[in-house]
Amino acid sequence: QVQLQESGPGLVKPSQTLSLTCTVSYGSISSGGYCWSWIRQHPGKGLEWIGCIYYSGSTHYNPSLKSRLIISVDTSKNQFSLRLSSVTAADTAVYFCARENLVAGIHYFDYWGQGALVTVSS
Amino acid sequence: DIQMTQSPSSLSASVGDRVTITCRASQTISTYLNWYQQKPGTAPKLLIYVASSLQSGVPSRFSGSGSGTDFTLTISSLQPEDFATYYCQQSYNTPWTFGQGTKVEIK
Repeated sequence: QVQLQESGPGLVKPSQTLSLTCTVSYGSISSGGYCWSWIRQHPGKGLEWIGCIYYSGSTHYNPSLKSRLIISVDTSKNQFSLRLSSVTAADTAVYFCARENLVAGIHYFDYWGQGALVTVSS
Repeated sequence: DIQMTQSPSSLSASVGDRVTITCRASQTISTYLNWYQQKPGTAPKLLIYVASSLQSGVPSRFSGSGSGTDFTLTISSLQPEDFATYYCQQSYNTPWTFGQGTKVEIK
């Protein structure tokens, strides 16, 4: 079954850019019917949808983060990536990548990565 | 954004108990409501989608119901492995939003 794995620095300085990559295994990111997603969870808190990207490169972003956010896809490597600029301590969170299933217009997150803790601190 | 409110925020229950968690949306979302289970240090796991459809591999003691603005997740007979935090999520309009979570603890 599909597996997702996040990778990237666990510590980022304030005002810098947070970058994470999600590698998809046992499934092609180029398969239609999915939006490859990022979701974060602040320490001890709930879940926040960040955005997603189709294999074509089309994106959907959370308006609250849109001005600082870029999600990209590399189909040749079966990866997609997150870049969040001008980070502050409020961006400290566990970042999950996930597959959003779009079967018949129904949307749900059926596969998730294990999560990557990113701390914003000088 | 659509606000999702769960109740209670936490509950204590015993093995074998019937447990019900409620999720309310700030506007109608038809049946575009999903439920997830999260255990400490792990990613959420999909339990229920479109309000009442059981995800493959999820035990039948989990069930979901509701439409419009009010939804329910029921665990018919709580098992030791069910102690976790449960989240609802609306998939009616982006940005997708989640409830704040309901922590199910051992009594």
